[in-house]
Amino acid sequence: RKEVEQDPGPFNVPEGATVAFNCTYSNSASQSFFWYRQDCRKEPKLLMSVYSSGNEDGRFTAQLNRASQYISLLIRDSKLSDSATYLCVVSDNAGNMLTFGGGTRLMVKP
Amino acid sequence: NAGVTQTPKFQVLKTGQSMTLQCAQDMNHNSMYWYRQDPGMGLRLIYYSASEGTTDKGEVPNGYNVSRLNKREFSLRLESAAPSQTSVYFCASSGGQGIKPQHFGDGTRLSIL
Repeated sequence: RKEVEQDPGPFNVPEGATVAFNCTYSNSASQSFFWYRQDCRKEPKLLMSVYSSGNEDGRFTAQLNRASQYISLLIRDSKLSDSATYLCVVSDNAGNMLTFGGGTRLMVKP
Repeated sequence: NAGVTQTPKFQVLKTGQSMTLQCAQDMNHNSMYWYRQDPGMGLRLIYYSASEGTTDKGEVPNGYNVSRLNKREFSLRLESAAPSQTSVYFCASSGGQGIKPQHFGDGTRLSIL
């Protein structure tokens, strides 16, 4: 079983749609959680950290459910520029060992 | 702002050749990392360095060596390249207290024939 699992997609949605991705992790001792975005043939870039109480950044909302060990990302009012692969990332206590999910590919169509 | 700089960006090697991938960061970060990314596998940690003078194995260290030359630089060496090491390699760094997201370089696309 992979430590961090994501549906690879692709999720094909029209502009303006709301789309949600889930991610599950296996290590109950994990402390820090992130969503990264990766464009084709580019480096991953931090989209947002995920806090226990949930957090929002503009059109993006992240939620953490420690009891069920899953993380979610909600994107409202999708834009063409949101097309990318979204990586769920979980870290150990020290924050040194990041474990990446395989990514979920999103394609937003006109 | 340079951030994390990797060289080279592309490289083709023959099986058995050696090479060193270079990485430098200008953010005064303590921690640096090397990952490889393969289709369908996501990013996997090869080695990391939590601070200057220390290095530790990650998930897939076999066939690689690293050197934390100073706080800025962290190099990855392939002593005898194998086709299975064909991949995209990313260097990253992180710093500060508490939750520490990582900042990535542009990547090195390495092909081994």
